[in-house]
Amino acid sequence: NAGVTQTPKFQVLKTGQSMTLQCAQDMNHNSMYWYRQDPGMGLRLIYYSASEGTTDKGEVPNGYNVSRLNKREFSLRLESAAPSQTSVYFCASDTGTADEKLFFGSGTQLSVL
Amino acid sequence: RKEVEQDPGPFNVPEGATVAFNCTYSNSASQSFFWYRQDCRKEPKLLMSVYSSGNEDGRFTAQLNRASQYISLLIRDSKLSDSATYLCVVNGNNNDMRFGAGTRLTVKP
Repeated sequence: NAGVTQTPKFQVLKTGQSMTLQCAQDMNHNSMYWYRQDPGMGLRLIYYSASEGTTDKGEVPNGYNVSRLNKREFSLRLESAAPSQTSVYFCASDTGTADEKLFFGSGTQLSVL
Repeated sequence: RKEVEQDPGPFNVPEGATVAFNCTYSNSASQSFFWYRQDCRKEPKLLMSVYSSGNEDGRFTAQLNRASQYISLLIRDSKLSDSATYLCVVNGNNNDMRFGAGTRLTVKP
């Protein structure tokens, strides 16, 4: 099993450009998440999807949109990138039960110039 | 107030030392608790879940105090390979996982 696959691994954008980060999991998980991590900080939740067809805002949703395309895929879109969105982005998934562990993708290093 | 707060660190300890990390959470309805480990520039990985009765996994012991909304992680006989950032994670009542800022540990020879 590939687990959680996240693309791209690296991306450089200019201010105002748009892009979509892709995430897919092959573990039949119900819940999927997008986090960002800034230097010296823990992970902050951007958006999550508790099940196919639903999405909810996390701690820091402003400037982002998400799509739960199907059970496997959960994408994160930056419509107009800003330097403040320079960060490492992690996608994760779990079964959705309270005590289930998160499985993470390997991360996307995004720089907005 | 942050939902999950941890000791700021960093902790620099010699090999063989015992070190303890603390974490507090603000949501009293939180249902489950975890410690994750994150190596530099890598994704976090589950170290252990934290159960109400406390639990141990080799050199690692986790404790939960629901009344004080407090979680701890104890590492005994520290190894060089334990050097990493340790993240406290709390699952809220909407099943969204919230992370602490992490505590950085460096174990030195």
